[in-house]
Amino acid sequence: DIQMTQSPSTLSASVGDRVTITCRASQSISSYLAWYQQKPGKAPRLLIYKASSLESGVPSRFSGSGSGTEFTLTISSLQPDDFATYYCQQYNSYSWTFGQGTKVEIK
Amino acid sequence: EVQLLESGGGLVKPGGSLRLSCAASGFTFSSYSMNWVRLTPGKGLEWVSSISSSSSYIYYADSVKGRFTISRDNAENSLYLQMNSLRAEDTALYYCIKSCGYPCHWGQGTLVTVSS
Repeated sequence: DIQMTQSPSTLSASVGDRVTITCRASQSISSYLAWYQQKPGKAPRLLIYKASSLESGVPSRFSGSGSGTEFTLTISSLQPDDFATYYCQQYNSYSWTFGQGTKVEIK
Repeated sequence: EVQLLESGGGLVKPGGSLRLSCAASGFTFSSYSMNWVRLTPGKGLEWVSSISSSSSYIYYADSVKGRFTISRDNAENSLYLQMNSLRAEDTALYYCIKSCGYPCHWGQGTLVTVSS
């Protein structure tokens, strides 16, 4: 199975900060990477697919980049609604795998 | 609006069985692959199983192979997961997911607790 390693596991930031989360794949996954946001008690929400494509309705402060094995999710200016847990996920194979999550907390 | 509504979770003893259901609406169910993914405090998000639109292709994670069976009824717009020989490590929140190649829509989840 392809392993996905996210960093950091926890991130403390303030409203207005620029935030970057990194995801590394154990082997090349081309651009078959998605990013999700999850809040307590809610289903994960798709933010980015194909590494850099913004899902419809997602604010433009969210962006994704990378290919191969290195990927990043950037929030250009953190908003109060953005405090949540973020996951990356590869879909290069039928056996999807997820990063362990990054919790974005209020500093 | 796409809606995925899971049901069937609950408390079950080790070795027991449960059948999860997912009622889909708001899209042409028979055109999409569907999946089950679970969330546990210890292991995070784990893909469990996938089924193609016509049930021709079915895949399982090694951790559930031989114990879980995924199926679907396109006439009823429903997805199922039959879980047998349940173990404590199967305790999780189980999500039904519509696949657009990637998980594009998630249900709210149904909680399965395996404990004596």
